[in-house]
Amino acid sequence: DGGITQSPKYLFRKEGQNVTLSCEQNLNHDAMYWYRQDPGQGLRLIYYSQIVNDFQKGDIAEGYSVSREKKESFPLTVTSAQKNPTAFYLCASSSQRGAEAFFGQGTRLTVV
Amino acid sequence: AQSVTQPDIHITVSEGASLELRCNYSYGATPYLFWYVQSPGQGLQLLLKYFSGDTLVQGIKGFEAEFKRSQSSFNLRKPSVHWSDAAEYFCAVGAGTGFQKLVFGTGTRLLVSP
Repeated sequence: DGGITQSPKYLFRKEGQNVTLSCEQNLNHDAMYWYRQDPGQGLRLIYYSQIVNDFQKGDIAEGYSVSREKKESFPLTVTSAQKNPTAFYLCASSSQRGAEAFFGQGTRLTVV
Repeated sequence: AQSVTQPDIHITVSEGASLELRCNYSYGATPYLFWYVQSPGQGLQLLLKYFSGDTLVQGIKGFEAEFKRSQSSFNLRKPSVHWSDAAEYFCAVGAGTGFQKLVFGTGTRLLVSP
């Protein structure tokens, strides 16, 4: 089945540690995105990538980093510089301008 | 800058009653508009989308939405709500050139009473 796979579904980390969230898609989409979701705030864009080896900051990129070495993969690293990392993280992809985004099932990160 | 407003945080509807969820957007050009639904702890599923053409758009699960340029609105409707429709609903506008950077509203949580 084609789709977007995020792993793990739940992730716990101690404060001060970096953590990497995985996102893989087999839809052959060029664009991929990372969103952060907090209660009552909707989804906010962290980073997006339109092509391999290129990515742009979204609205809340501080404390996050990404890479796009393969078309299928767009991992997100939450660094210790992110002040409030506990959140629900959603990865998405889309095929072309105007096309809808397809979402993964999300990763819930809890930092203690 | 592009923005989306969903004025209702929560809405409760009786099962079998009609539903309308409001969405207003701000965008300088002709927008790409989307409605997504999210069940607790899950990802988002596309209900419907508007790019151009007919302003009344049909989606999955019996939902429809109407694009009204004069009101900058894209309200979601369903004539008869089922208990399984209880979820959170997000309106989004496609922003920028090239691939779509979706700007989302804050969501409306739908509760369905028996």
